[in-house]
Amino acid sequence: EIVLTQSPDFQSVTPKEQVTITCRASQNIVSSLHWYQQKPDQSPKLLIKYASQPFSGVPSRFSGSGSGTEFTLTISGLEAEDAATYYCHQSMSLPCSFGQGTKLEIK
Amino acid sequence: EVQLVESGGDLVKPGGSLRLSCEGSGFTFNSYSMYWVRQAPGRGLQWVSSISSRDALTFYADSVKGRFTISRDNAKKSLFLQMNSLRADDTAVYYCAAGKQPYDAFDIWGRGTMVTVSS
Repeated sequence: EIVLTQSPDFQSVTPKEQVTITCRASQNIVSSLHWYQQKPDQSPKLLIKYASQPFSGVPSRFSGSGSGTEFTLTISGLEAEDAATYYCHQSMSLPCSFGQGTKLEIK
Repeated sequence: EVQLVESGGDLVKPGGSLRLSCEGSGFTFNSYSMYWVRQAPGRGLQWVSSISSRDALTFYADSVKGRFTISRDNAKKSLFLQMNSLRADDTAVYYCAAGKQPYDAFDIWGRGTMVTVSS
């Protein structure tokens, strides 16, 4: 089973800052890594698929990069509405797995 | 509007059964693989099961294999999860999700339905 480890677990940032969340995979997953945003009491929403492809309708301040075992989600010019928990997810092999989540607080 | 709507969540005793449903609209349901993902209270996301679009190949997490059964009815644009021998650690919000392929990102998510297993 492929384990995904996100860092940090929690980050408090101010609006307009740039934040980077890292996801490390226990095995090579090439680019089969996706990022989701989950706001309190809402379902997750897909942000980035296959490491760097923005999903339809996602604001351009969200971007992804990486391959193999290390991936990053970058949010540029943070807005108050970006307060949420962010999850990475690998679909390289079953069981597909998620990172433990990174909670982002906007000061 | 692209939408997935789950139903069927309830309070059930340990050892009991429950059947969840998920109805899709606004997209070509029979072209999408479908998934169940759950989230225990205050916890992260956990994949439960997947079913492919047309040949209905099924896949399960080890924690539910032999107890849960995923199925779909493309004519009714519906996905199901039959849950038997429920345990306290099955307590979670169950989300229905859709993606283009069995091994893919989850493009579309429902709002979830709560399953509570408690005596």
